[in-house]
Amino acid sequence: EDKVVQSPLSLVVHEGDTVTLNCSYEVTNFRSLLWYKQEKKAPTFLFMLTSSGIEKKSGRLSSILDKKELFSILNITATQTGDSAVYLCAGSGGGSNYKLTFGKGTLLTMNP
Amino acid sequence: GAVVSQHPSRVICKSGTSVKIECRSLDFQATTMFWYRQFPKQSLMLMATSNEGSKATYEQGVEKDKFLINHASLTLSTLTVTSAHPEDSSFYICSARDQLADSGANVLTFGAGSRLTVL
Repeated sequence: EDKVVQSPLSLVVHEGDTVTLNCSYEVTNFRSLLWYKQEKKAPTFLFMLTSSGIEKKSGRLSSILDKKELFSILNITATQTGDSAVYLCAGSGGGSNYKLTFGKGTLLTMNP
Repeated sequence: GAVVSQHPSRVICKSGTSVKIECRSLDFQATTMFWYRQFPKQSLMLMATSNEGSKATYEQGVEKDKFLINHASLTLSTLTVTSAHPEDSSFYICSARDQLADSGANVLTFGAGSRLTVL
């Protein structure tokens, strides 16, 4: 059975801190690793990673995939109030880019 | 960008009734849509893959007679929770992929979800 494990499950940080969220996966016929941000409702897409060692960046967020260790991290620098959310990691596999197995998420709470 | 609309956003029903949730792709066609279920503080669990014009593919442990899925057009999939019971109370989210999107934008767009409460 496919499995995605995220850590920590929750995190409280001060504005301006840098945080690292972890995701390990065991996905049959792995295709890609995706990160989503969920604020109360629909998850919104952050990154899709398919190749090892290539960092993807979007503003203060960045992510990288290690296919040998079956691991990915999501970094957020200079955290802001708006970063408070649940960050979901998902692996796609089974021969499909779209069949996703999600982790339980990391709840990031900003402490003003 | 791609938008997926889900309706209703919240529904409360009595035990034993059936509830239908709609998932629409507003500005793109989706041959495949996905239905997820999310319990509080738990992850999104894939329930089934909805295929336009054919039967849905259900994940192991999901009762297909309990959760009826219909994907009658390229922009609409429906999930009907039949004879709902309190244990069916959950957050249901659908997602869809723009079939014309190139592989670089090869990601799913999620609906805003539907919170079902069965009394």
